[in-house]
Amino acid sequence: GENVEQHPSTLSVQEGDSAVIKCTYSDSASNYFPWYKQELGKRPQLIIDIRSNVGEKKDQRIAVTLNKTAKHFSLHITETQPEDSAVYFCAGGNEKLTFGTGTRLTIIP
Amino acid sequence: EAGVAQSPRYKIIEKRQSVAFWCNPISGHATLYWYQQILGQGPKLLIQFQNNGVVDDSQLPKDRFSAERLKGVDSTLKIQPAKLEDSAVYLCASSPSGPPTDTQYFGPGTRLTVL
Repeated sequence: GENVEQHPSTLSVQEGDSAVIKCTYSDSASNYFPWYKQELGKRPQLIIDIRSNVGEKKDQRIAVTLNKTAKHFSLHITETQPEDSAVYFCAGGNEKLTFGTGTRLTIIP
Repeated sequence: EAGVAQSPRYKIIEKRQSVAFWCNPISGHATLYWYQQILGQGPKLLIQFQNNGVVDDSQLPKDRFSAERLKGVDSTLKIQPAKLEDSAVYLCASSPSGPPTDTQYFGPGTRLTVL
């Protein structure tokens, strides 16, 4: 089955700086890669996703890049704000999603 | 539009007891998922329904866990008997159609504590 690894497990950045979270996957058949944000005690919420026919996707301050050859994808958050503090999960799959272990992002004011 | 609803939000039971969770997906969503999220980990898929049929239950511990989705709408997940390691948040999600290459919307989850 699919195996998704996520790094780093924790990340602290100064407000206004950029944050990058990286994930790798094992199954070359995986074709869908969403990113979810989960605030403490709340449900995971989709923030951006990418499909394997696209290399990069951007939505305001958030972007995701996908390298199918290397089987890795990354989340980029620019101009970070305190409200970006949360746990971020990557996921990948084809018939079903496998989630990474999460990155706790802390924005330092 | 209303989101995915789950109940109860919290449950505390003794080991070896049984427990049931309920999920009401977004209206019209064909696919329903149950995930287990242990503290500090990502969600792990337990079972996936397409309408009222099971698509994937390969990671469901079938000796103690069961799930059903009657009439292709609401779903219940049951644990009998519960073990200490079942302590987790149980998340229900739904998506409009087919395989998971379709946005999944999560419910608020049920936090289960097994003592």
